[in-house]
Amino acid sequence: QVQLQESGPGLVKPSETLSLTCTVSDGSVTGSDYFWSWIRQTPGKGLQWIGYVYYGGSTSYNPSLKSRVSISVDSSKRQFSLTLRSVTAADTAIYYCAREVSSGWYYFDRWGQGTLVTVSS
Amino acid sequence: SSELTQGPAVSVALGQTVRITCQGDSLRRYYANWYQQKPGQAPLLVIYGRNKRPSGIPDRFSGSGSGNTASLTITGAQAEDEADYYCSSRDTTDDHVVFGGGTILTVL
Repeated sequence: QVQLQESGPGLVKPSETLSLTCTVSDGSVTGSDYFWSWIRQTPGKGLQWIGYVYYGGSTSYNPSLKSRVSISVDSSKRQFSLTLRSVTAADTAIYYCAREVSSGWYYFDRWGQGTLVTVSS
Repeated sequence: SSELTQGPAVSVALGQTVRITCQGDSLRRYYANWYQQKPGQAPLLVIYGRNKRPSGIPDRFSGSGSGNTASLTITGAQAEDEADYYCSSRDTTDDHVVFGGGTILTVL
């Protein structure tokens, strides 16, 4: 079955750019059935949706992060990526990639295991 | 955009029934999805759509909703159900996703 795996640096310096990649195994990132999302969780806190990339490359972002976020997809590699610019300590979190089903209902049916990104000098 | 509100914590005696609620304007249009998260693990979908359970989720988990409120009910809670539970839905713009703040469930 489809599995998602995040990868990228675990440590980013303040004011720099956080870049993560999610690799989708045993599945495609093309097609209109799914939205490919990034979600984060501050240690000890709740979940925050960051944004998604959809069929054809269209995107949607959390308004609170929109000015700093980009999400893109590389279908040839079965990957989608997150870029978060000008990070601060407040961006320290576990970052999850997830697949959102679009089939009448919207829900996240597959999640990566998550990767901790720490923002520190 | 919109927000989803959950109570911070709830407890239940082993084998009893517990209800976790979620409120928000988006729930007038979208069903709430419910995710279970145990320490050190990614969230796991337990209820989606109109009271649908993914394969492998016990039937003691059920979902319901009315107006701007959705509920997750665990009938006959087990020790392994102790976890954080999050509700989620698309928001009122249709293009964004919102999560509730999470409810800590303790099984006594």
